[in-house]
Parts: sequence; structure tokens; C-alpha cells
Amino acid sequence: NAGVTQTPKFQVLKTGQSMTLQCAQDMNHNSMYWYRQDPGMGLRLIYYSASEGTTDKGEVPNGYNVSRLNKREFSLRLESAAPSQTSVYFCASSATYRTNEKLFFGSGTQLSVL
Amino acid sequence: DAKTTQPNSMESNEEEPVHLPCNHSTISGTDYIHWYRQLPSQGPEYVIHGLTSNVNNRMASLAIAEDRKSSTLILHRATLRDAAVYYCIPLVQGAQKLVFGQGTRLTINP
Repeated sequence: NAGVTQTPKFQVLKTGQSMTLQCAQDMNHNSMYWYRQDPGMGLRLIYYSASEGTTDKGEVPNGYNVSRLNKREFSLRLESAAPSQTSVYFCASSATYRTNEKLFFGSGTQLSVL
Repeated sequence: DAKTTQPNSMESNEEEPVHLPCNHSTISGTDYIHWYRQLPSQGPEYVIHGLTSNVNNRMASLAIAEDRKSSTLILHRATLRDAAVYYCIPLVQGAQKLVFGQGTRLTINP
């Protein structure tokens, strides 16, 4: 029962370094999402992909890029990490991009930027 | 997007029912009401959703007011595993962009 798998689970970066967070789902879902959660806060949407081949900005896209590599995989790239990007990152997927579909979340990547 | 108001925290005892309220007075007629919860150090987990009538599943019940300006998530017999932050999220028809507020932190006493 893998569901949504995120790698890595933990990462420490120095300011200015780049890295890619990986996300894969094995439920044959069409839609995938990246969220971030700052301490004591709710989740905020960074980018989403309603279907393979499409990506769109969410609430807080600045400083990030995404790639929908195929139907299973949706990666999030930080080109030049900043301390303000210290957060827990969650990937999610849903069968389709409709309001009555539930989202399935991964267990998160804890990122610290020094 | 419709705004929601939830209590910051609630406390209950194990094996008792819990009623978690949510005010969403600006909701439109076609917005679904979704509930998610987040256990400590985990990603959010879907709980239940509804549009107009009350809904039940194995995890919880959702009671939606007749005017749809508020809803209540009901956990019938709370267990220690139900301790989590619960988020009430109105979803605009046709859009799957969950907007998480602060939620309600539920503590369950043994």
C-alpha cells in the first residue's frame, strides 16, 4: 500500500543551493499537487498538475518550479534555496481535478535552509 | 474563496462523542465542504465531504446546516488515535485547490 511516496524525508541545504523533491503515486491518479506547511500553520498550495502534461501555479509559487514527468511522478525544484523556504513539503494526488475527489497525501519532506 | 471559522482547540475524553464545528457563512451554493485531519508528523488525511445533506462514513459523520452556513464533524466514539488537527475546507465547484486554514487541534484525554 505505497500510495504517495516522497523522497527524501529530510534535507538540509545551504542558502543558494538547488535541489529537487521527488513525488510518485501508484494509484493511477490524474492530478497531483505540492503543498508547503510552515510551523503552526495550515498547508499552502505551491503548484498543481490537473492532468499529465499540464501544470499551474497555486498560492505561493515564487522560488519553485515543477515537472510532471509522467502520470506517476511530479517533482518540485528549488533553484536557489532561501531560508524562507524552510518548511515541510507535502505531495498529494487525486483521481481527477474535481471537487468531490479526495486527496491522498505523502508523509512529507522536512527541508531546512541555512 | 469562502472563509471558515473553527475553534483553535478542543478537548474531549476517550470513548465520548466529539462535535467539531465550522462556520462557513460565505459559502456558495455549489461549494462542497471537505474535512481533513492531520495527525502529528504526518500528511493530511481525508475524513469526509458533503454538499447539502448529512453524510456518514466509517470514520465520522458530517452534519450540514440547512442554510449551509455551518457544519459539524462528528466523531462518534473518540479514541486516542483521533488526536489531530481537523481542517474544514469549502471547495469551489470545478476546482480542487484545497485551502487549509488553521484548523482545530483536538486533544483526547484517556
